[in-house]
Amino acid sequence: LAKTTQPISMDSYEGQEVNITCSHNNIATNDYITWYQQFPSQGPRFIIQGYKTKVTNEVASLFIPADRKSSTLSLPRVSLSDTAVYYCLVGEESGGGADGLTFGKGTHLIIQP
Amino acid sequence: KAGVTQTPRYLIKTRGQQVTLSCSPISGHRSVSWYQQTPGQGLQFLFEYFSETQRNKGNFPGRFSGRQFSNSRSEMNVSTLELGDSALYLCASSLSITSGTQYFGPGTRLTVL
Repeated sequence: LAKTTQPISMDSYEGQEVNITCSHNNIATNDYITWYQQFPSQGPRFIIQGYKTKVTNEVASLFIPADRKSSTLSLPRVSLSDTAVYYCLVGEESGGGADGLTFGKGTHLIIQP
Repeated sequence: KAGVTQTPRYLIKTRGQQVTLSCSPISGHRSVSWYQQTPGQGLQFLFEYFSETQRNKGNFPGRFSGRQFSNSRSEMNVSTLELGDSALYLCASSLSITSGTQYFGPGTRLTVL
């Protein structure tokens, strides 16, 4: 599975747009990019998945440049409840396979009033 | 549709004991994966079951085992507990082993004294 690098932590304020960038220089042709959100003492929750260009759902947008070596998760108008750890994963569509889902350290996003 | 459920939510055991954790996947999901989450190691893949067969296994000692029943419910067992086994154990389900996003349960918090 491709290794990912993302910031350890980020701070923002309520109402702002937050962009979290993930680097995955050795992403393979068949790999998708998936983001999960995790609150303390809860299981990770799927946010969004994409292969290229832009994907948008009711929660977030995912921007993937043409070379696919990085991706940016965009959270519009964040609130205090968006404070969580965000994980970027790169792998086949299921994200699983022989090694299961491989989670890095994630980005600890802290939203302040 | 009900989400992934895990029982018990909290458990306290002493060194040397064994423990069994249970996971009920989302209805219709046939794949169940188990993960261990600790502050030091983060989220680590334990194993994955599909159609009552273990398909993949992470790098954990043989004290960690699991099984899946015909109704897709899964259990994991840890024998001869060690202090380092204290962790949040997460179960995730997906439609099949090769497709779909994994949906996580709330986890079982195991404390070994």
